[in-house]
Amino acid sequence: DAGVTQSPTHLIKTRGQQVTLRCSPKSGHDTVSWYQQALGQGPQFIFQYYEEEERQRGNFPDRFSGHQFPNYSSELNVNALLLGDSALYLCASRVWRGRNIQYFGAGTRLSVL
Amino acid sequence: AQTVTQSQPEMSVQEAETVTLSCTYDTSESDYYLFWYKQPPSRQMILVIRQEAYKQQNATENRFSVNFQKAAKSFSLKISDSQLGDAAMYFCAYRSANTGNQFYFGTGTSLTVIP
Repeated sequence: DAGVTQSPTHLIKTRGQQVTLRCSPKSGHDTVSWYQQALGQGPQFIFQYYEEEERQRGNFPDRFSGHQFPNYSSELNVNALLLGDSALYLCASRVWRGRNIQYFGAGTRLSVL
Repeated sequence: AQTVTQSQPEMSVQEAETVTLSCTYDTSESDYYLFWYKQPPSRQMILVIRQEAYKQQNATENRFSVNFQKAAKSFSLKISDSQLGDAAMYFCAYRSANTGNQFYFGTGTSLTVIP
């Protein structure tokens, strides 16, 4: 049973560019959340998708957007990259109506130069 | 917004000994969940243990147990018989049972296990 998978594992971009990160949830899960983890910090909630809709959003600017596909996989898009966007981006999945156990992927390390 | 505080940035323990990691949280809600996640150098966050606020009994998972003090808003993790593989960052997390699915994380405690 595959867990939560994310791609790519590492990414280097320059300021002003746009980036897309991808996530496939654990088998049987229908809800995907994205988190940003800056160096030395805990993960910060970006947003959550269920039934292809954004259900909840954290305190992140509109430069951060997402999408969920019919197969429950998800993308995180960040436009106009800033140096401060450098972080580990974690995807997590769970069952919307099930027990509240959330499983995480290994993350994408984004470096903005 | 809810806040989760981990006041110990770093902790160390001798192999086979016991260590306790601290966590406090701030909330006005009565129904919520608390979690401890482990993040090894591989970066993958792994669920260690989970506590439901309405349950008075402290959760246990093998060598891991919690001391949940609801009135004090305290949720500490005890690791018994520490093993080298326990070395990692440990994050305390809170999730409301009523007002959405957002998880709030603390800043983490880096645990070193000394052979």
